[in-house]
Amino acid sequence: DGGITQSPKYLFRKEGQNVTLSCEQNLNHDAMYWYRQDPGQGLRLIYYSQIVNDFQKGDIAEGYSVSREKKESFPLTVTSAQKNPTAFYLCASSIRWGLTGKFFGPGTRLTVL
Amino acid sequence: ILNVEQSPQSLHVQEGDSTNFTCSFPSSNFYALHWYRWETAKSPEALFVMTLNGDEKKKGRISATLNTKEGYSYLYIKGSQPEDSATYLCASGYNNNDMRFGAGTRLTVKP
Repeated sequence: DGGITQSPKYLFRKEGQNVTLSCEQNLNHDAMYWYRQDPGQGLRLIYYSQIVNDFQKGDIAEGYSVSREKKESFPLTVTSAQKNPTAFYLCASSIRWGLTGKFFGPGTRLTVL
Repeated sequence: ILNVEQSPQSLHVQEGDSTNFTCSFPSSNFYALHWYRWETAKSPEALFVMTLNGDEKKKGRISATLNTKEGYSYLYIKGSQPEDSATYLCASGYNNNDMRFGAGTRLTVKP
């Protein structure tokens, strides 16, 4: 089955530690995205990648980093510089970058203790 | 900053009730409006994409309308069922490829 997987589903980390969230897709999509969801707010774009080996900052990129070495994979690292890292993180992909419909993963809930 | 507003934030209805909720968005440079259905512990799934003023889309008991001039979209559910319980997200896209999501309307349908 084609789709997007994110792992793990729940993640706990101590304050000051970097943590990497996994996102894999087998849909052969060029574009991939990372969103953050906080209670009562819409999804906010952290980073996006239009194509392999390329990525761009979204609205709230500070304290995060990404890589796109393979078309299928777009891992997100939450660094210790991110002031409020506890949130729900959603990965998405689309056939091409822009306003095309997005396919989402199931999300990872990160809690920093 | 483009703000997409959804109302109400949450909604509880009885099985069999019909219901509707609203997505309001800035209409300047508008390109497309997306509705997603997001069940707990699952991935958001696309319901509709609408681009033209006056567009109406329907899938089973769920339908949506779009008014691009005044910047709003309605989602209607006829005869709600418990399996309709989910968060319904809207996202508006703009000509500069910017896409903004609302916070969602959480619908609970009681049997």
